Amino acid sequence: GAVVSQHPSRVICKSGTSVKIECRSLDFQATTMFWYRQFPKQSLMLMATSNEGSKATYEQGVEKDKFLINHASLTLSTLTVTSAHPEDSSFYICSASWTSGPQDTQYFGPGTRLTVL
Amino acid sequence: AQSVAQPEDQVNVAEGNPLTVKCTYSVSGNPYLFWYVQYPNRGLQFLLKYITGDNLVKGSYGFEAEFNKSQTSFHLKKPSALVSDSALYFCAVSPLSGSARQLTFGSGTQLTVLP
Repeated sequence: GAVVSQHPSRVICKSGTSVKIECRSLDFQATTMFWYRQFPKQSLMLMATSNEGSKATYEQGVEKDKFLINHASLTLSTLTVTSAHPEDSSFYICSASWTSGPQDTQYFGPGTRLTVL
Repeated sequence: AQSVAQPEDQVNVAEGNPLTVKCTYSVSGNPYLFWYVQYPNRGLQFLLKYITGDNLVKGSYGFEAEFNKSQTSFHLKKPSALVSDSALYFCAVSPLSGSARQLTFGSGTQLTVLP
């Protein structure tokens, strides 16, 4: 149980285009989903937290107009990188949890490798 | 603000030997502590967590971790390492109180088990 999927697993795009990444909880309803970014050989950095049906909460320094997050249902959240640039190239990982409590385990998706040319 | 330290970037052990991956934390009040493992180009897999109760927590794949409040540590251990345990390990913390629910991750420790 507690499986989270991401699509696509990797994407290559041209600079200036937008890319949408989907995160789905396959066997549970995720009240809260999280989006992380991971650079090579580094830890995960939280970008934003989203609750179903409400606006995402972004971490300091993360541009909300550039990284659009939608959490329209209890099983799906999307991250859209708008007008992508090479510096946006990274490994994007989502996670999901049943509720929003700090003790709740976050279950992670397999990640999406974004390369912007 | 909470923080997590994993003092070792790299840990090498021989197959069959016990392994320890170290983690110390700093948080206001009591913590929730987690260990995750990441294989190359994959997301994180949950290993175990400490919420309350017994200081020794048992998790997936034979791993366990010991919560030590006085030393603010939560070291990951396994009695007998396997080559397949080679991966990147992350310790994470979230605070017990307040509305904060985000995990703060350590920098990760690359574990290599040598055959």
